[in-house]
Amino acid sequence: AQKVTQAQTEISVVEKEDVTLDCVYETRDTTYYLFWYKQPPSGELVFLIRRNSFDEQNEISGRYSWNFQKSTSSFNFTITASQVVDSAVYFCALRVGDSSYKLIFGSGTRLLVRP
Amino acid sequence: DTAVSQTPKYLVTQMGNDKSIKCEQNLGHDTMYWYKQDSKKFLKIMFSYNNKELIINETVPNRFSPKSPDKAHLNLHINSLELGDSAVYFCASSQSVGVTSGVNNEKLFFGSGTQLSVL
Repeated sequence: AQKVTQAQTEISVVEKEDVTLDCVYETRDTTYYLFWYKQPPSGELVFLIRRNSFDEQNEISGRYSWNFQKSTSSFNFTITASQVVDSAVYFCALRVGDSSYKLIFGSGTRLLVRP
Repeated sequence: DTAVSQTPKYLVTQMGNDKSIKCEQNLGHDTMYWYKQDSKKFLKIMFSYNNKELIINETVPNRFSPKSPDKAHLNLHINSLELGDSAVYFCASSQSVGVTSGVNNEKLFFGSGTQLSVL
């Protein structure tokens, strides 16, 4: 079975705090892709990152960083020095296989950054 | 220019009615999708078309029928609307998938959603 679990339903932090959003995935396939999408209050989902199963290198993009660990089937997302504009619902997603078009989303984590 | 546009943004209707949601993308993508987001924000794929051909058809009641007149359009028609159909429906598009396609080709571009309320 393929599944994505985001156990944190909602996180509230004060601006400038660091925050980590957890994502745990399940799949028996060796080829898979992991994603993070952001859904701001406007509603439209925005792509943040894709990582394939053969690349465990962590990635940093500005204040955003991602920690991919196959040993724990996790793909966690950290925002450093959070800002109010980071407030959104964040979705982790999984795509299995090289040719599948189907994205399996987690239930999302709502992040509220307070000034 | 909006990359993926869907209309209407809000749709309020009575149970039993038939309604359609339209989606158009101007990105030249080959693949389009419909996703349903329920009140708890859970997002699930419904359909996907690649070059006008249906490639994903999840367990969706047959009251829902997608139609792709060309690869830039994917419309969703819903017959005999029920209370449980109330949700936000998102259209999306992407160029392709796979390790050779490159991350930019695989990005999903979403529309702004259609909030459907069935009374």
